[in-house]
Amino acid sequence: AQSVTQLGSHVSVSEGALVLLRCNYSSSVPPYLFWYVQYPNQGLQLLLKYTSAATLVKGINGFEAEFKKSETSFHLTKPSAHMSDAAEYFCAVTTTSTPLVFGKGTRLSVIA
Amino acid sequence: GAGVSQSPSNKVTEKGKDVELRCDPISGHTALYWYRQSLGQGLEFLIYFQGNSAPDKSGLPSDRFSAERTGGSVSTLTIQRTQQEDSAVYLCASSLRGTTNTGELFFGEGSRLTVL
Repeated sequence: AQSVTQLGSHVSVSEGALVLLRCNYSSSVPPYLFWYVQYPNQGLQLLLKYTSAATLVKGINGFEAEFKKSETSFHLTKPSAHMSDAAEYFCAVTTTSTPLVFGKGTRLSVIA
Repeated sequence: GAGVSQSPSNKVTEKGKDVELRCDPISGHTALYWYRQSLGQGLEFLIYFQGNSAPDKSGLPSDRFSAERTGGSVSTLTIQRTQQEDSAVYLCASSLRGTTNTGELFFGEGSRLTVL
């Protein structure tokens, strides 16, 4: 069975600073990996996904993530944080037709 | 509508009562998922439908929980004899196919359940 660990339930950065949200996965077969974002009082929306193509994946709003098999990681980054990036971010993993397994989420705060 | 619609958006009930939560997926989406989101616990998978059948019910926490889907569209999640630990946000999602390895899940805004 696959699983996801998100390091840090809460991350706080200054506006304009680098955003780094960590995600490590466990899977016995090649995984498919996703990052979702949840803004306050809204549903989740897809930021980006890795499906065995390029290891560096670019998503919406300037976010990107790199799949590193050797480290079993799929960390999310953004070079410069905006106030509008404040939200909860979820990493998720799946393999074939199994439902997505989500991490516990990381709440990102952006300080002016 | 254009997105996944869930109702009610908020439900407050007394312990021991039954509740029904409804999900209307995006038109044409064959797969439908229910997740439960509790504070600090992330998203917990409950059940998955492909068409009207549920190949994976492994996440339902107890026999008080059941779900059905009719006409390959609307789904209802029923919780019988609610307990306080059932308080959470129940999220529904749909996708074009059951395989999530290439597809994207589209989520509704959730139904917040509070059991007093």
